[in-house]
Amino acid sequence: GAVVSQHPSRVICKSGTSVKIECRSLDFQATTMFWYRQFPKQSLMLMATSNEGSKATYEQGVEKDKFLINHASLTLSTLTVTSAHPEDSSFYICSARDRRQGFNEKLFFGSGTQLSVL
Amino acid sequence: QKEVEQNSGPLSVPEGAIASLNCTYSDRGSQSFFWYRQYSGKSPELIMSIYSNGDKEDGRFTAQLNKASQYVSLLIRDSQPSDSATYLCAVNFGNEKLTFGTGTRLTIIP
Repeated sequence: GAVVSQHPSRVICKSGTSVKIECRSLDFQATTMFWYRQFPKQSLMLMATSNEGSKATYEQGVEKDKFLINHASLTLSTLTVTSAHPEDSSFYICSARDRRQGFNEKLFFGSGTQLSVL
Repeated sequence: QKEVEQNSGPLSVPEGAIASLNCTYSDRGSQSFFWYRQYSGKSPELIMSIYSNGDKEDGRFTAQLNKASQYVSLLIRDSQPSDSATYLCAVNFGNEKLTFGTGTRLTIIP
């Protein structure tokens, strides 16, 4: 299957700092990537859809100024959590769709980033 | 509101038995359905995808889809302790996004 690389896998930061998470598709081009957040024992909640070369589309209730998404190339999307606070502590996961798989193509996930804000 | 519902469990199954996981969804027009397995602290891993009514088998896994009743299930035969994980049902409601259920925690008892 397609490989999606995400890093860092874990980050601990002080309240008020910004954290950047990278997501790369290693063996395919991903025109669209998705960013999810998962709190303990809860399901994945879609935060935003990242489109190469255009602005991200955010889900209702997600602050676009706080969660900055950049999709500058066909293989890289970044999520920056600005001025992080303890309530932003969560597991952040990126995913990408490999369009070579066909129309109902599957999502492949990065390994996730556990963010802890002190 | 398009929703995907799963029983959160935990579901305990003896080793070697069949584990049955169920999922219902709200939109009758949905076209693609997925089962993901997630170990604690890890990201989801695709187990099965299914697009048409009926059964789809892959090794010890069988996905079953019934669009008229709006449910999709996953059967795991000959359950192994390594199958212990949270299983997430995901549905594409036709807008390029996947909506996930809350997941069912499965524990295989040796």
